[in-house]
Amino acid sequence: GAVVSQHPSRVICKSGTSVKIECRSLDFQATTMFWYRQFPKQSLMLMATSNEGSKATYEQGVEKDKFLINHASLTLSTLTVTSAHPEDSSFYICSASVRRGGRVFGPGTRLTVL
Amino acid sequence: QKEVEQNSGPLSVPEGAIASLNCTYSDRGSQSFFWYRQYSGKSPELIMSIYSNGDKEDGRFTAQLNKASQYVSLLIRDSQPSDSATYLCASLANAGGTSYGKLTFGQGTILTVHP
Repeated sequence: GAVVSQHPSRVICKSGTSVKIECRSLDFQATTMFWYRQFPKQSLMLMATSNEGSKATYEQGVEKDKFLINHASLTLSTLTVTSAHPEDSSFYICSASVRRGGRVFGPGTRLTVL
Repeated sequence: QKEVEQNSGPLSVPEGAIASLNCTYSDRGSQSFFWYRQYSGKSPELIMSIYSNGDKEDGRFTAQLNKASQYVSLLIRDSQPSDSATYLCASLANAGGTSYGKLTFGQGTILTVHP
């Protein structure tokens, strides 16, 4: 079946630094990938839709200059959290579309900003 | 009003019992519905999808969809302690016939199966 990987699985950084998270589709091509954020005891919130070769579409309230998304190939999308602050600490999960609208999720990246 | 609503629980059932999870949605344009299981600290994994009215069975899992009532449910038969997790209901309103519409999640129901 379709598999999505993410790297790193866990990152701890100092406030003010930037963090890049990679999302790869391992055995299929993903024209569209989705980035979610999940705070403790809350559901997944869609941050942006990443389209290969074009600009990402951000959800309302998500700062596009803070959360930079690049989808340079059909198997790789990256999310860069710029100038991270403690309130950005969260579980970031990417996903790709599979048939009939289903989504396969990556394992997630736990970001902790000190 | 939330677009997809679930009872957050926790729902506690004894091992071997049937667990019943419910979900309602507000967007009548939703075409596809999914149930995901999420263990603590992990990402969601798809366990069931349903697209038309009626029941769909897969092993111990049965999904039920009633578009007139805008209601989706998941039944887990012979519940096991390993089924203890958060179950997320999600709806998809297709965009222009593609599968890239917005997937909207409910807040999840915490299920605990006790031995």
